[in-house]
Amino acid sequence: DAGVTQSPTHLIKTRGQHVTLRCSPISGHKSVSWYQQVLGQGPQFIFQYYEKEERGRGNFPDRFSARQFPNYSSELNVNALLLGDSALYLCASSLYLVGLAENYGYTFGSGTRLTVV
Amino acid sequence: DQQVKQNSPSLSVQEGRISILNCDYTNSMFDYFLWYKKYPAEGPTFLISISSIKDKNEDGIFTVFLNKSAKHLSLHIVPSQPGDSAVYFCAASAIGSNYKLTFGKGTLLTVNP
Repeated sequence: DAGVTQSPTHLIKTRGQHVTLRCSPISGHKSVSWYQQVLGQGPQFIFQYYEKEERGRGNFPDRFSARQFPNYSSELNVNALLLGDSALYLCASSLYLVGLAENYGYTFGSGTRLTVV
Repeated sequence: DQQVKQNSPSLSVQEGRISILNCDYTNSMFDYFLWYKKYPAEGPTFLISISSIKDKNEDGIFTVFLNKSAKHLSLHIVPSQPGDSAVYFCAASAIGSNYKLTFGKGTLLTVNP
C-alpha cells in the first residue's frame, strides 16, 4: 500500500516567488493536513481539510493557502515567498480526525524540503 | 508560547535498558496525546496515543503514562534498541478544536550498543 506521497521532495525558490506543494493521501483517507517544520522545532499546524472542506487553519499569513480536490489529494500554495518560509513541509492523512478513534494518529509523508534564497 | 514542552533536547541510553521521554503541557483543553518518532529525511511515524480519560496505554515496547493533574506525560521504551535512535515528538490535540496537533520541539534519543 502506498503511504502519503508528497511532491516534489526538494525545491529551491527565490524570494517573492510562488510555490505549490502537492500531497496524495493514503487510499481511503479523506482528511489531509499540512504542517511546517523549521530546523530545531516540532511541526507546526498550517491547515486541516476533511471531505474537501477546510476544518482548521493555523497562525500563518494569508500568503499560505490550500485546497483539497475531489480525489482527496491536496495542494499547499505559498505566495510572495520569504526567507523564513524555508522549512520542511509535511502532509498528513487520516481516516479519522485525531482523537475520535483509540490509538490512532495521522500518517505523515516524508515532506517537501523548501529552500528560499 | 509553547503549549507542549519537551525540556530534554537529548537522551542517551544503553541498549536493552529503558528509555523514558518526558513531555509537559500547559493547555488544559488538550484531551488527546500522541507520540511520534522521526528519522532524518522521513516524516514523523505515529507510535502510540492516549486519551485524557486514561492514565496508561501500552503497545508492544511502548507505554505512555499520563498525569493530568501535573499536565505531564511520558513515553517508556523497553527494551531500547539502537534502531530506536531517532527524534521523538510529543503532540497534543483538543478534540473539537479543529483537530490540529500541537507538537513539542522533540527529544533526540540515542541508544548505544
